[in-house]
Amino acid sequence: NAGVTQTPKFRILKIGQSMTLQCTQDMNHNYMYWYRQDPGMGLKLIYYSVGAGITDKGEVPNGYNVSRSTTEDFPLRLELAAPSQTSVYFCATRGNYGYTFGSGTRLTVV
Amino acid sequence: QQQVKQSPQSLIVQKGGISIINCAYENTAFDYFPWYQQFPGKGPALLIAIRPDVSEKKEGRFTISFNKSAKQFSLHIMDSQPGDSATYFCAAKGVGNEKLTFGTGTRLTIIP
Repeated sequence: NAGVTQTPKFRILKIGQSMTLQCTQDMNHNYMYWYRQDPGMGLKLIYYSVGAGITDKGEVPNGYNVSRSTTEDFPLRLELAAPSQTSVYFCATRGNYGYTFGSGTRLTVV
Repeated sequence: QQQVKQSPQSLIVQKGGISIINCAYENTAFDYFPWYQQFPGKGPALLIAIRPDVSEKKEGRFTISFNKSAKQFSLHIMDSQPGDSATYFCAAKGVGNEKLTFGTGTRLTIIP
């Protein structure tokens, strides 16, 4: 049982490039989330989804997009990478026993 | 705006001692208060959680104390061990929504 799987683990992007952070879960949870973690700032919610086909903005959605075509997958898209998007990104799901986080993607924009 | 304030930012405790991390919240419409433990290079993992209808919850060496009137909750780690060295986050979930608001984290170091 893999839980929440994020790929890639690390990535370096140049300013203006685009990329998709992948998140897949095998727990059949409806709720999925994307957070970013910056040093000393805790985790900030970027986007979330309450089920396939339904997404909504969190606290810091600017510069990101998401889609949820299946229960399992919740990719996060960066269209024009900026240095301010350098961070560690975590995907999470919510089930009856709380939230389960993936191991994160460390993104550096240079 | 920061709705969950966590302190201290870092904490050093001797092995066998008690580690105490505090959080305070501003929004009274929270109904679930979890604590997460995060090791370097890993995602946060749920440690223990409490709902506002109880004042204390204990699981092994970990205890949450909850003070609804003061809008504060704290994590106590008894008999702290070097393996407890990690970053700890408190969080709160709003009533009727599915979003967690996190504190800024406490880096705990247990020294021999």
